[in-house]
Amino acid sequence: GENVEQHPSTLSVQEGDSAVIKCTYSDSASNYFPWYKQELGKGPQLIIDIRSNVGEKKDQRIAVTLNKTAKHFSLHITETQPEDSAVYFCAATPVFPSGGGADGLTFGKGTHLIIQP
Amino acid sequence: NAGVTQTPKFRVLKTGQSMTLLCAQDMNHEYMYWYRQDPGMGLRLIHYSVGEGTTAKGEVPDGYNVSRLKKQNFLLGLESAAPSQTSVYFCASSLGVSSNTEAFFGQGTRLTVV
Repeated sequence: GENVEQHPSTLSVQEGDSAVIKCTYSDSASNYFPWYKQELGKGPQLIIDIRSNVGEKKDQRIAVTLNKTAKHFSLHITETQPEDSAVYFCAATPVFPSGGGADGLTFGKGTHLIIQP
Repeated sequence: NAGVTQTPKFRVLKTGQSMTLLCAQDMNHEYMYWYRQDPGMGLRLIHYSVGEGTTAKGEVPDGYNVSRLKKQNFLLGLESAAPSQTSVYFCASSLGVSSNTEAFFGQGTRLTVV
């Protein structure tokens, strides 16, 4: 099965600086890589995702990059703000034409991002 | 539009007791999932369903059973609770088409087994 490794487990950055979280995956069949943000006491919420036919995707201050050859993908947050403080999870799964992620996502263990004022 | 709703939000069980966690979604999603979240372990898949009347085992299925009698509901049962099942449980659902794979999560159920 798929195995997703995520680093670092905790990341503290100054407000306004950039934050980078890295993940690696093991299953070459995986082709869908979402990132989730989890705030205290809440369920995870999708913030950005990327598919294996794309190398980079941006959404305002958030970007994700994917290196299929090396089997790793990263989340980049620029100009960090206090509301970015949360736990971030990467995930991976194969998605087939007949259905989307049927076997469920395999998650990394999470990164606790702390934005220092 | 409520999305994914989990019931209850908190529960304390004694070892050996049974209970059922209910997940309801109002988005007409085909796929539904149960995950457990433990400190430092991320989210691990317990069971999932790709449609009404179907269920399948995930990564950590032992000690749990599920049922999907109606498309909008996915039930997770613990027949004889153990302290190792103390965790936060999350239900999720997704549309089930390759072009739209976003999974929506509920707010979680915090279960303590004493």
